[in-house]
Amino acid sequence: AQSVTQPDIHITVSEGASLELRCNYSYGATPYLFWYVQSPGQGLQLLLKYFSGDTLVQGIKGFEAEFKRSQSSFNLRKPSVHWSDAAEYFCAVAVNTNAGKSTFGDGTTLTVKP
Amino acid sequence: GAVVSQHPSRVICKSGTSVKIECRSLDFQATTMFWYRQFPKQSLMLMATSNEGSKATYEQGVEKDKFLINHASLTLSTLTVTSAHPEDSSFYICSASTLGARTYNEQFFGPGTRLTVL
Repeated sequence: AQSVTQPDIHITVSEGASLELRCNYSYGATPYLFWYVQSPGQGLQLLLKYFSGDTLVQGIKGFEAEFKRSQSSFNLRKPSVHWSDAAEYFCAVAVNTNAGKSTFGDGTTLTVKP
Repeated sequence: GAVVSQHPSRVICKSGTSVKIECRSLDFQATTMFWYRQFPKQSLMLMATSNEGSKATYEQGVEKDKFLINHASLTLSTLTVTSAHPEDSSFYICSASTLGARTYNEQFFGPGTRLTVL
């Protein structure tokens, strides 16, 4: 079965600084990869996804992620963080094109210092 | 497009009562809907997968008689928490997906329902 690891439980960055959130997955083939953001008390919003093709994917709100097969990673990056980016971030992996069933990492809480 | 709504957004009930949560895909037909449970500061735990017109598939450890799921149409799925107890208090999130060349494996999430059982 597939699994997702987000090594960092909590990250704090200063506003304007760059950000990288780590995500590692375990699966024998190439999975479908997602990053979601969740604000307190809210549902999940898709930031970006990787299905195939270019391994550097662009998402909304200035986020990007790079799929690295050799490292089984799909890290999320943003060059300059805004205070409104403070939220919970989840990496997810799906392996069945028909079911759409995803496995989520435990999440990383991002705090942005002024 | 691809909007999913949940109703109610927040519900408080007494122990022993049943609560129904609705999940609707507003602008697309959802062949599959998922129900998740999320405890504070934790990740999403998949409870069950439902396909329109068929019985839901429950994840291991989830009581199907307690969490009744109905997916009667391509735009509506309901989760009923029967005989709710305080330990059922949680944030319940649904998502919907549809088969398609461009949207396969993408789930669209509802805003969640906060259930508090007194």
